[in-house]
Amino acid sequence: DIVMTQSPDSLAVSLGERATISCKSSQSVLSSSNNKNYLAWYQQRAGQPPKLLLYWASTRESGVPDRFSGSGSGTDFTLTINSLQAEDVAVYYCQQHYTPPTTFGQGTKLEI
Amino acid sequence: QVQLQESGPGLLKPSETLSLTCTVSGFSIYSSYYWGWVRQSPGKGLEWIGSIYDSGDTYYNPSLKSRVTISVDTSKNQFSLKLSSVTAADTALYFCARQGGSSSYLDSWGPGTLVIVSS
Repeated sequence: DIVMTQSPDSLAVSLGERATISCKSSQSVLSSSNNKNYLAWYQQRAGQPPKLLLYWASTRESGVPDRFSGSGSGTDFTLTINSLQAEDVAVYYCQQHYTPPTTFGQGTKLEI
Repeated sequence: QVQLQESGPGLLKPSETLSLTCTVSGFSIYSSYYWGWVRQSPGKGLEWIGSIYDSGDTYYNPSLKSRVTISVDTSKNQFSLKLSSVTAADTALYFCARQGGSSSYLDSWGPGTLVIVSS
């Protein structure tokens, strides 16, 4: 299985500032056939299910604010949250869906 | 707007079979989507269990494949999970979700149901 490793495990960022979360995969999740990275990001607020934020590493799901952005390719990816708001307090997960079984990172807890 | 809701017993004894149903509303399960199960436990984080297509084709995580059965009932717009011979390690929050592919990202999730395995 592809192992997804996120860093840091937790971070605290001031309101209005930028948060950056890293995700590394043990194998490349970039498809040579369509040049897409099979990498998704989720937000899980306390007591709620995960919510899809980004897929194909950088495509925002409908309704997701443009403060959320994704970058990276191959094995190294980044989730950036600009102008942090109180509602962004959550645990963030990356997921690879390139090689079955799909696997998730261990999560990064974001606090204010 | 698609909505998913898990249902089933919340407490099991070791060696019993976990049975959960996911009811889909606002969207036909008979569509070009896959329907999956994910569980979340403190020890193992998020773990994909498997998925099913409306044709009945199933895809399972190899780590659970010997104990898992996922089925679909298109007439009721439901799909179900069975996990046999449960142990305390199967204690988790179980989610059903919609997937774009057999092992793809999950774009809509149910609220989850907690299953505890304890003697």
